Amino acid sequence: EDQVTQSPEALRLQEGESSSLNCSYTVSGLRGLFWYRQDPGKGPEFLFTLYSAGEEKEKERLKATLTKKESFLHITAPKPEDSATYLCAVRPTDSWGKLQFGAGTQVVVTP
Amino acid sequence: DGGITQSPKYLFRKEGQNVTLSCEQNLNHDAMYWYRQDPGQGLRLIYYSQIVNDFQKGDIAEGYSVSREKKESFPLTVTSAQKNPTAFYLCASLNLYTDTQYFGPGTRLTVL
Repeated sequence: EDQVTQSPEALRLQEGESSSLNCSYTVSGLRGLFWYRQDPGKGPEFLFTLYSAGEEKEKERLKATLTKKESFLHITAPKPEDSATYLCAVRPTDSWGKLQFGAGTQVVVTP
Repeated sequence: DGGITQSPKYLFRKEGQNVTLSCEQNLNHDAMYWYRQDPGQGLRLIYYSQIVNDFQKGDIAEGYSVSREKKESFPLTVTSAQKNPTAFYLCASLNLYTDTQYFGPGTRLTVL
């Protein structure tokens, strides 16, 4: 059974304090791993897609990396506007666009 | 502006009532999806549709129904058979070229 586990569940950071979020996954075959950002009461906003181990993607203060068993979302020198819930999802090779989501990591960045 | 719209933003239902959540997209995407989000849980797939007039059950389809009569529209009906319908409902569509799902703003359903 495909599974996605995100850790930690919640993370509180001081502004400028870099940290990493983890997404570990178990799938029979990985077609893609996706990161989304979700603000309270809103729909998820797409951030990155990673397809193969060793791949990295960057966007402003965020950097996503992928290994064969997990992905990391690194937040460098975060600002309060980076506060959100970050969702990880995998698309197995035998699915038709269907995503398996983790429960998310809630990040709070304080000034 | 291309995107996905969901309405209403908030919906209140009495027990025993059916309610329909609207999802419209102007992105020209063939595939559309409905998810349910509960606190502390990941998004769970309710139904999905790969093409007009076709749809499949997801992981938690019991108590829900959908239709796909137009490419742009994928409404979700929450029936009285759904035991615990209070949740945040999200609609998404798939860009086949980038293999990425894009989400609407969501509808929060509360059963009174």
